[in-house]
Amino acid sequence: DAGITQSPRYKITETGRQVTLMCHQTWSHSYMFWYRQDLGHGLRLIYYSAAADITDKGEVPDGYVVSRSKTENFPLTLESATRSQTSVYFCASSISGTSGGSTDTQYFGPGTRLTVL
Amino acid sequence: GIQVEQSPPDLILQEGANSTLRCNFSDSVNNLQWFHQNPWGQLINLFYIPSGTKQNGRLSATTVATERYSLLYISSSQTTDSGVYFCAVGLNYGGSQGNLIFGKGTKLSVKP
Repeated sequence: DAGITQSPRYKITETGRQVTLMCHQTWSHSYMFWYRQDLGHGLRLIYYSAAADITDKGEVPDGYVVSRSKTENFPLTLESATRSQTSVYFCASSISGTSGGSTDTQYFGPGTRLTVL
Repeated sequence: GIQVEQSPPDLILQEGANSTLRCNFSDSVNNLQWFHQNPWGQLINLFYIPSGTKQNGRLSATTVATERYSLLYISSSQTTDSGVYFCAVGLNYGGSQGNLIFGKGTKLSVKP
């Protein structure tokens, strides 16, 4: 049971380059999320998706693009990377998001550490 | 927006000691989860607990939704309990479906 995986685990890129972070889950969870974790800010939601082809902005979406053509994949693209996007990025998934029950429990991937020079 | 405050920000314990971590939130929620981030960065879900009490081994959690706080209890702490504990809350309405808002965390260090 692979669960939720992220790739790459580490990435170094330069300012202005496009970068795509991949997230894949094997549970067929409906909901998927992208967070970034920064010292002093904790975890903040970038984008989320309630199902394939349904995405919405979170707290800090500027500079990021997402897509979800398949239930199991939720890639995050930095169209033109900036130094302020240096961070650790976490993908998460849950069975549901609005049940009001334990199926709203979120499970996190291992994270991708991105450095923008 | 909703505010989530965790206390204490840092906690150092001797192995075998008990501890209580607190999470206060500023609005009614219907989704509250506790996570442990281990020293290698992995985030593990400990509890889904928007109300009531749950226990899992040496860990237990209580949420008093009407008073807008949750407590995480760690008994007989072990060095493997070290890491950062996050409380996250969510609101099930409008454009916030499924979203979690995280507190800044409590960093726990358990000394042998």
